[in-house]
Formats: sequence, C-alpha cells, structure tokens
Amino acid sequence: AQTVTQSQPEMSVQEAETVTLSCTYDTSENNYYLFWYKQPPSRQMILVIRQEAYKQQNATENRFSVNFQKAAKSFSLKISDSQLGDTAMYFCAFMNLQGGSEKLVFGKGTKLTVNP
Amino acid sequence: EAGVAQSPRYKIIEKRQSVAFWCNPISGHATLYWYQQILGQGPKLLIQFQNNGVVDDSQLPKDRFSAERLKGVDSTLKIQPAKLEDSAVYLCASSPTPDRTNYGYTFGSGTRLTVV
Repeated sequence: AQTVTQSQPEMSVQEAETVTLSCTYDTSENNYYLFWYKQPPSRQMILVIRQEAYKQQNATENRFSVNFQKAAKSFSLKISDSQLGDTAMYFCAFMNLQGGSEKLVFGKGTKLTVNP
Repeated sequence: EAGVAQSPRYKIIEKRQSVAFWCNPISGHATLYWYQQILGQGPKLLIQFQNNGVVDDSQLPKDRFSAERLKGVDSTLKIQPAKLEDSAVYLCASSPTPDRTNYGYTFGSGTRLTVV
C-alpha cells in the first residue's frame, strides 16, 4: 500500500519570502503521479501542481515549483514570493497509474501561514 | 464551467440517526469520487464511480455507508446509523475519464458532518 508523509504539521513565512514544504512517499510502483493540493478555509481542494513520475524535469507553475527526487521518494513544494492568499492547508498526494482506480492517497497536510 | 456542487454544506445529527449527502459533478465528467476527511487528516477515498458503476469501494464501511450514482450523473452518500467517529468533511470530486493526459480532480466544497 502507498503511504504519504508530511513531516511538518505547521509552517509560517513572511510575505514575499520563500518557503518549502516537505513530502515523502512510499511505493513499489514505477508509474504514478504526485500532486500538491491547497485547501483554504472554504474546504475546496485546489490543485496547485502535479508531477509525472516518468518525467525527470521538475514541474513549475508560476510561483510554485517542486523538487522531485524519485530515488529518494521525495516531493517537496517551493512557494516563492509568498502572498497572504497562500495561507491554507497544503496536502501532498499520490496516484498510482496501475489498474483502474485513480485513487488519491493524501498525507496529513501542512498548515501554512503567510504573515504580513 | 460550473464546479462540483455539494449539499448540504453543514449537517449536525445525533448518533444512530441517518444522513444523506448529495453531489452533482461537472457536466460530462464520467468519474465521481467520495472522500472522507477527518479533522487533522488528509482525505481518504470512500468510493469511486465510473458512470454508474463502482470502480473502488474497498474503504467504504459497508455496514453503515452506502452510495449510489443513478443515471451516471448525480450521486448520494448515505450513513445509517451514524457514529461519533463519522464526524468529518465529506468531499465529492469528479474527473473526465478516460483522460490519461490530465490527471487531476475537481473537488466540491464538501459537507461538514457533526455527529453528537
């Protein structure tokens, strides 16, 4: 079974600075996707960024980028130029592409607070 | 496009009562998911439908939980009888399937259930 671990329950950062959220996962599969989701108080899970395991190049989306280390099974999220609107829970998630189920396995989340 | 609609937004019930949640996915999305998110944890998949067929319900407590997706569109999730440990946010999500080029769900805002 796949597991996802986020070792930082809470993080804080000053506005305009950079913060990195950590995520490790455990799987014996070779074909999978990794995701970072943002969950503001509205509760809706919002996709931030995704990474295909077969791609060596790290994904980037504007101020968000990942450091994907496949051998180490590590998938960290870097947020540059942090903004107050980035305050939210952030969840790392794994999707196994083998078989028919497209189940997301989530970590426990990191609560990020951006301070003015 | 309209998002994933869920109702009610909040529900408070006494233990041993029954409750039902409703989800309307994005138009044309064949796959629908129900996730349970207990406070302080990441969401956990309860059931996945593709059209009106069940793909994965391995983590659904079938002695008390049931779900259906008649006509392959709307879905309802029912709990009967509810227990205190069922207090959680119930998230519905949908995705177009097959869509092997764009994994990523669209989530609704969830229903927060409190069992007292």
